[in-house]
Amino acid sequence: DTAVSQTPKYLVTQMGNDKSIKCEQNLGHDTMYWYKQDSKKFLKIMFSYNNKELIINETVPNRFSPKSPDKAHLNLHINSLELGDSAVYFCASSNRGWDLPYNEQFFGPGTRLTVL
Amino acid sequence: DQQVKQNSPSLSVQEGRISILNCDYTNSMFDYFLWYKKYPAEGPTFLISISSIKDKNEDGRFTVFLNKSAKHLSLHIVPSQPGDSAVYFCAASLGTASKLTFGTGTRLQVTL
Repeated sequence: DTAVSQTPKYLVTQMGNDKSIKCEQNLGHDTMYWYKQDSKKFLKIMFSYNNKELIINETVPNRFSPKSPDKAHLNLHINSLELGDSAVYFCASSNRGWDLPYNEQFFGPGTRLTVL
Repeated sequence: DQQVKQNSPSLSVQEGRISILNCDYTNSMFDYFLWYKKYPAEGPTFLISISSIKDKNEDGRFTVFLNKSAKHLSLHIVPSQPGDSAVYFCAASLGTASKLTFGTGTRLQVTL
């Protein structure tokens, strides 16, 4: 019973295509995230949703559009894929409790996207 | 602008010895720091954390030290075991804000 799952695990596609990555968490968390790990291994936040509401939107091209149909799901749709989009994309979740001292995030296994 | 830095990309330690992984940060507003461990083809998993009001937190073989004046933290693993071989990421948080800022990771290899 995987806590945070992502599909697909690997995605190989051509430049210009549109693709989606799906994420689901069964931890009952109220906040979900998308991170991108590029070839230099930087792990950077892209988006965060709390109770289906977008709360963090870093400087990401608007070809990337997150969608949260419910608290347990956060999908990432990418339009007009470019070579530079090749990376590993990680989904994560947490409980954004205002009385919690910190924000432990639970990560999915990642989706390796390769754009040819 | 990289606010969290791990300047050692890799570290090799003999089994049974101490592993020391270092992390530096530039934003003095960070008030919580976390260490994540990552195996190949898996997502990062939480290891240990420390609040900025403390200078040490210990959990079994893992201890994190924080030096606020130097904006430096370190993770000590004693004794190191082969199963500890992984990439370790340092991360910083601004209170309960959702954003974690990660370092680039240090690959630890524990040899027999």
